[in-house]
Amino acid sequence: AAGVIQSPRHLIKEKRETATLKCYPIPRHDTVYWYQQGPGQDPQFLISFYEKMQSDKGSIPDRFSAQQFSDYHSELNMSSLELGDSALYFCASSLGLNNEQFFGPGTRLTVL
Amino acid sequence: QKEVEQDPGPLSVPEGAIVSLNCTYSNSAFQYFMWYRQYSRKGPELLMYTYSSGNKEDGRFTAQVDKSSKYISLFIRDSQPSDSATYLCAMTGSGNTGKLIFGQGTTLQVKP
Repeated sequence: AAGVIQSPRHLIKEKRETATLKCYPIPRHDTVYWYQQGPGQDPQFLISFYEKMQSDKGSIPDRFSAQQFSDYHSELNMSSLELGDSALYFCASSLGLNNEQFFGPGTRLTVL
Repeated sequence: QKEVEQDPGPLSVPEGAIVSLNCTYSNSAFQYFMWYRQYSRKGPELLMYTYSSGNKEDGRFTAQVDKSSKYISLFIRDSQPSDSATYLCAMTGSGNTGKLIFGQGTTLQVKP
């Protein structure tokens, strides 16, 4: 079965640079969630979209923005990167809200 | 105090043992409960999804929810070395946006 696709899988950036992470949900899924997971920590919710509209926002820095496009894929844009942004970034998708969420393999971001 | 509490372990058991993993939560608005398995540096894999009090079984896994006590459990029967991973409980329903709140995760090691 098709799964959530994330790209790139690994990303290395310098401080103050910009990064764009992409997420392609499971076909027919209309809801996308972004989570950040630091070393040894549980995933923390960043932002979500339902039917291309933002549905919720967590502890996401103002330097980060995201959107969901007409084909339901989503992009997380991160600017003025800081060392503390180094983490695993996961995208999850579901069919509607409050249903099973399926996670992608993640993007490992390293900020030097 | 976190909304979702989970003993981080580590938990070490012999192969074939029954494993019990638990989470407690404080927000009575949570209505949907999930268990994920996460191997090191991989995306969380959905194991169980439940939304009512009681038991739900799927193969070697049984999820148990007690909403009156705000307590959920995951039982793994006939544990295998391949079950060695971090197990995360997650829940949603507060605010009806699907945002998952995770426990800290329990690290499980199954010894051959």
